[in-house]
Amino acid sequence: KAGVTQTPRYLIKTRGQQVTLSCSPISGHRSVSWYQQTPGQGLQFLFEYFSETQRNKGNFPGRFSGRQFSNSRSEMNVSTLELGDSALYLCASSSSDQPGDGYTFGSGTRLTVV
Amino acid sequence: DAKTTQPTSMDCAEGRAANLPCNHSTISGNEYVYWYRQIHSQGPQYIIHGLKNNETNEMASLIITEDRKSSTLILPHATLRDTAVYYCIVRVRGANSKLTFGKGITLSVRP
Repeated sequence: KAGVTQTPRYLIKTRGQQVTLSCSPISGHRSVSWYQQTPGQGLQFLFEYFSETQRNKGNFPGRFSGRQFSNSRSEMNVSTLELGDSALYLCASSSSDQPGDGYTFGSGTRLTVV
Repeated sequence: DAKTTQPTSMDCAEGRAANLPCNHSTISGNEYVYWYRQIHSQGPQYIIHGLKNNETNEMASLIITEDRKSSTLILPHATLRDTAVYYCIVRVRGANSKLTFGKGITLSVRP
């Protein structure tokens, strides 16, 4: 069974630009969550989508947005990038009918803002 | 904020058992204890979860105290590949319940 796939693995952007990250969940998983990981703040929840609807949202500014498609694939977008947005962005897919809710993380996208 | 407290770090010798403690004194009756680990530069990996009974799987054992205010993750025979940050999380069961990560405990397995 294929795992959670995140693309791209690495990305370098300039301040003020916008970026889109992609996440393909495990087949059959309808929930996709996004997390930001930085050395200072650790792992922080961004938002969660289920059946194309945002179901939960973390405490991040409106520059961070996401969406989910009918095939459960998800994208997150960050507009007007700031240096502090440099982080590892992790996507996880889950299914409540599996042990541990089947929460499975991808390997992440390492975003560097210069 | 995370509802758990863990020591910052610990180490153990390869082949020995690693016992990782976690305090969750404010846990609610419907909240489970979950453990995840994150090996450097990878996404977190689910290890085990439990409500009140002790649990065991192929990776580890989870011991939850009777009052449910603390738990211990046991890696019975630690290997170098078990070196990672281990997160103890309490949450309501269900895929729509987010994971709130604390700082975790860094386990270093020495040869």
